[in-house]
Amino acid sequence: SQTIHQWPATLVQPVGSPLSLECTVEGTSNPNLYWYRQAAGRGLQLLFYSVGIGQISSEVPQNLSASRPQDRQFILSSKKLLLSDSGFYLCALLAATDTQYFGPGTRLTVL
Amino acid sequence: SQELEQSPQSLIVQEGKNLTINCTSSKTLYGLYWYKQKYGEGLIFLMMLQKGGEEKSHEKITAKLDEKKQQSSLHITASQPSHAGIYLCGADIPSSGSARQLTFGSGTQLTVLP
Repeated sequence: SQTIHQWPATLVQPVGSPLSLECTVEGTSNPNLYWYRQAAGRGLQLLFYSVGIGQISSEVPQNLSASRPQDRQFILSSKKLLLSDSGFYLCALLAATDTQYFGPGTRLTVL
Repeated sequence: SQELEQSPQSLIVQEGKNLTINCTSSKTLYGLYWYKQKYGEGLIFLMMLQKGGEEKSHEKITAKLDEKKQQSSLHITASQPSHAGIYLCGADIPSSGSARQLTFGSGTQLTVLP
């Protein structure tokens, strides 16, 4: 079965600092991968998805970017964090059953 | 764009009571997913419904998709403190890209009092 790892689990960063969140998956090959953000009291917002290495689609214009350097690695980055970037970031993969499974998440607080 | 409305936004029940959470779509649902989330944790997949009138159960949780495929309900029988958490419905949305995408409701916060 598939396993999704996210690192780090929590992060506190000052405004203007860079960001790198990592998502790695096991137990599957060439999965569709997704980055979501969940702000306090709100639902999930799809940020990026990737259907393969080097293939990134952005759903929301923002100061975040994503990369997929390896088949099972999906990275969310920013050059300069904003206060509004605070939230809970979730990585997900699409299983063969057409169901999305989610990682444990990263709690980001921008001060 | 497709929107999902969940109701209620929050729910507090006594242990042992039954409860229902609803998810209503502005458009026909082609795939409806229910997830549970503990605070600060990832989403746990519960069930997926695709056909009008479909009903699935797992332990004490039953989910239904209505015949018109625009509303789904999640019913918990004899609730327990372990059922507490945030319940989210998600739906397949048409995508111009090559990946399946989901849109989510804002969630229902369930508290079960012992």
